[in-house]
Amino acid sequence: DTGVSQDPRHKITKRGQNVTFRCDPISEHNRLYWYRQTLGQGPEFLTYFQNEAQLEKSRLLSDRFSAERPKGSFSTLEIQRTEQGDSAMYLCASSLSLAGGTDTQYFGPGTRLTVL
Amino acid sequence: QKEVEQDPGPLSVPEGAIVSLNCTYSNSAFQYFMWYRQYSRKGPELLMYTYSSGNKEDGRFTAQVDKSSKYISLFIRDSQPSDSATYLCALGSSGTYKYIFGTGTRLKVLA
Repeated sequence: DTGVSQDPRHKITKRGQNVTFRCDPISEHNRLYWYRQTLGQGPEFLTYFQNEAQLEKSRLLSDRFSAERPKGSFSTLEIQRTEQGDSAMYLCASSLSLAGGTDTQYFGPGTRLTVL
Repeated sequence: QKEVEQDPGPLSVPEGAIVSLNCTYSNSAFQYFMWYRQYSRKGPELLMYTYSSGNKEDGRFTAQVDKSSKYISLFIRDSQPSDSATYLCALGSSGTYKYIFGTGTRLKVLA
């Protein structure tokens, strides 16, 4: 399967713990995105990378959240001191930017986080 | 006012019906219009991508964009029980690569 993969698929943690999620994009894609989705809502943008550079961050991304894409391939999203309000599905997407072309985002299966 | 409005449903139709799903938006800067399908506890799957106004057809799916009315639609012909899912509209504009999503419409196709 050459789609976007995410690990773990499910994470249950206690309030105050740190968690880290991993995303592996489609191999030739140079852009990578993180979104958060809560029940009954559409995905909300968190941040995006072009290669290894983090170019845009949402105000939803508080200082407890940090994302990296160290070699322009996989990315990690870390949440420190988790709160119950962080419980959500965290989605990763990737796209290939082409000069004069479209930039369609393909999503992974998501990581479902439950904070107790 | 939200940037993108979408009726959450649920919308129940009999098998074989034509389904119409819609979103309205307020920001005229949106130029890219996508429809995603999301099954329960799965990631969104891209169905249709359109740029600017007009129609696009792919199999049983037709996407329409009316920028003058700030209104986009997805039509599903000959709906099947396997089409039962949540359908999300997503909009993008040049200068930023983030998508703005609607809340999604839950569709149930009854056999």
